[in-house]
Parts: sequence; structure tokens; C-alpha cells
Amino acid sequence: DTGVSQNPRHKITKRGQNVTFRCDPISEHNRLYWYRQTLGQGPEFLTYFQNEAQLEKSRLLSDRFSAERPKGSFSTLEIQRTEQGDSAMYLCASSSWGGVSNSPLHFGNGTRLTVT
Amino acid sequence: GQSLEQPSEVTAVEGAIVQINCTYQTSGFYGLSWYQQHDGGAPTFLSYNALDGLEETGRFSSFLSRSDSYGYLLLQELQMKDSASYFCAVGSGGYQKVTFGTGTKLQVIP
Repeated sequence: DTGVSQNPRHKITKRGQNVTFRCDPISEHNRLYWYRQTLGQGPEFLTYFQNEAQLEKSRLLSDRFSAERPKGSFSTLEIQRTEQGDSAMYLCASSSWGGVSNSPLHFGNGTRLTVT
Repeated sequence: GQSLEQPSEVTAVEGAIVQINCTYQTSGFYGLSWYQQHDGGAPTFLSYNALDGLEETGRFSSFLSRSDSYGYLLLQELQMKDSASYFCAVGSGGYQKVTFGTGTKLQVIP
């Protein structure tokens, strides 16, 4: 168990640029979640996957945000035409889900995005 | 949608007991979890309740009342290292989406 890995750890970009983050979950986990967190707030749900299927995307997210999980392994989160309001910590978490009980979410260390 | 309410800040003395409350509104409730997050760190899992009652894990206990849509986290024998933010989170819906509260910042003082 090497844990959830997120890359890059930090990203500074200019407003209007596109950015892509990567998350590698714990290998046997079939669930993968993306959250966004700003200072003093709780993780805000963005989207989640079971295997390669995207189950739900937050209605708060604009069309500039897209996520994929090809082959049910790693996932990418892309933000197009970044805005200063996108500056936040982007957290990825994974869990196993057997359809009955909830297993804990295991979080990565996050990618901190700063839009200038 | 889902909503969760927690106190924003709590201060307690080292060695004491503190209770952090969480009320929630959701449809298709599955369970209530608690996570700890130190400044600059990632959230880590503490406890989970799917049924009413108390779950104990060492110095931490968590309680759930589904009829009241209410739960709490109880921390005993507080230590300085317990200073952190604590989040309740609900699993809900057919696919058990996990939604987090806004968090309670706990400060433990000597």
C-alpha cells in the first residue's frame, strides 16, 4: 500500500491557461473522488468514479472542469481557462466499495493551484 | 442536496474531554464519518457510524442518531497533538457519495 499519489504538488499558472492534475489511487481501490478545499473550509465535492464510470459531477462545477479515469486506474482533473477563483487545494481520495458498507476515504497530499 | 453543520471552533484544555457536534440533512443516508486534518496535511479517517449508537476507537468515540440526523465526535484525554480540524462527512445516495461538513477547528491549550 503506497498510498494515494497526486502530481504535481504545486502548480502556479496564469489566468486563462489550462492545467491538468493527476491522481494515482491505492491499487485495489475501485472508488476515486476529487475534492477542492480552500482555507478554513471543508473538502468540497467535485466528482467521483467507480472504476472508469463517472458517477456524479457537482452541479457547482462549470464546464471548464473535466475529469477522466481511463481503464479505472489513475485519474486526471483538467481545468480549462483558469480563473483566480480556481485557486485552491485539489484533493484526490480513493476507497474500496463493495456495494454495502462504506470504507474510509484515503486522501492524497493534494495539488495546490495558484492562479495569478 | 446535502448539508452538514458543525461548530467552527472549539477550545479545550489538555487532558479534558471535548465533544464536536454535527447535524446533517440528506436523502438516502448511509453513514456518518469523521476525519481529522492537521494544518498543511491531508484528511485522515477517524471513525464511522452506520447504525445508531456509540462507536469507540481508543480515545475517540463517535455517536449517531439517525432519527435526529445528528452525530458527535468525542475526544477524551486531550493531547496537544489533537489540535486540528475535524470534519463530519455523510455517505448518501445510491452510490454513497461522500459530502463533508465545513469543519471544526479544535485548539488544545495547556
